[in-house]
Amino acid sequence: SSELTQDPAVSVALGQTVRITCQGDSLRSYYVSWHQQKPGQAPVLVMYGKNNRPSGIPDRFSGSRSGNTVSLTITGAQAEDEADYYCNSRDSSGFSWVFGGGTKLTVL
Amino acid sequence: EVQLVESGGGLVQPGRSLRLSCVASGFTFDDYAMHWVRQAPGKGLEWVSGISWNSGDIAYADSVKGRFTISRDSAKSSLYLQINTLRTEDTAFYYCAKGSGRYYLDWFAPWGQGTLVTVSS
Repeated sequence: SSELTQDPAVSVALGQTVRITCQGDSLRSYYVSWHQQKPGQAPVLVMYGKNNRPSGIPDRFSGSRSGNTVSLTITGAQAEDEADYYCNSRDSSGFSWVFGGGTKLTVL
Repeated sequence: EVQLVESGGGLVQPGRSLRLSCVASGFTFDDYAMHWVRQAPGKGLEWVSGISWNSGDIAYADSVKGRFTISRDSAKSSLYLQINTLRTEDTAFYYCAKGSGRYYLDWFAPWGQGTLVTVSS
């Protein structure tokens, strides 16, 4: 089982706001990165560090943290945001990496 | 533009070995850590291994320790993953990814398109 816990599936109406969460004890100590994966494609980084978006990622994506839970928020979800989202951080030892189980986002 | 191209996957019998390669371009390969991540068909992502810029620090997931060996060749701007004693549960897409800094403990992206390893008799 993963040290990072994500909800398996989340849905959002087109244009509405959705929050995807990632929970784990190691998140109190280490930053998370978020990776978006569409069917048949390689993952793409959408958020990293405290609240940083790579070049080309829309500003409707944002990140936040509260205790051992980190969130990826999409404000005004678009059809093209429908994908699997994976959080990624160091594990509890600090010397290895771990992914959350992934959240399938459906845009209705 | 960063490009990562994996190769070496295919259909392999259980117990055999395989070496995956990832050729990097568009950045100074020697300055960055590199990673391997795998994804079984229809499943989630699993970090497999990371290697620092000078191969001084290497780490593996517990699930592959002792059977997988990561290495890099600066002259060829290439990353490798040697997989020994293949098991059916090693069946997955294997992606290489570029580290964001010199050490494998920094976050990583972008990713290559992956190479599929299928372990079956």
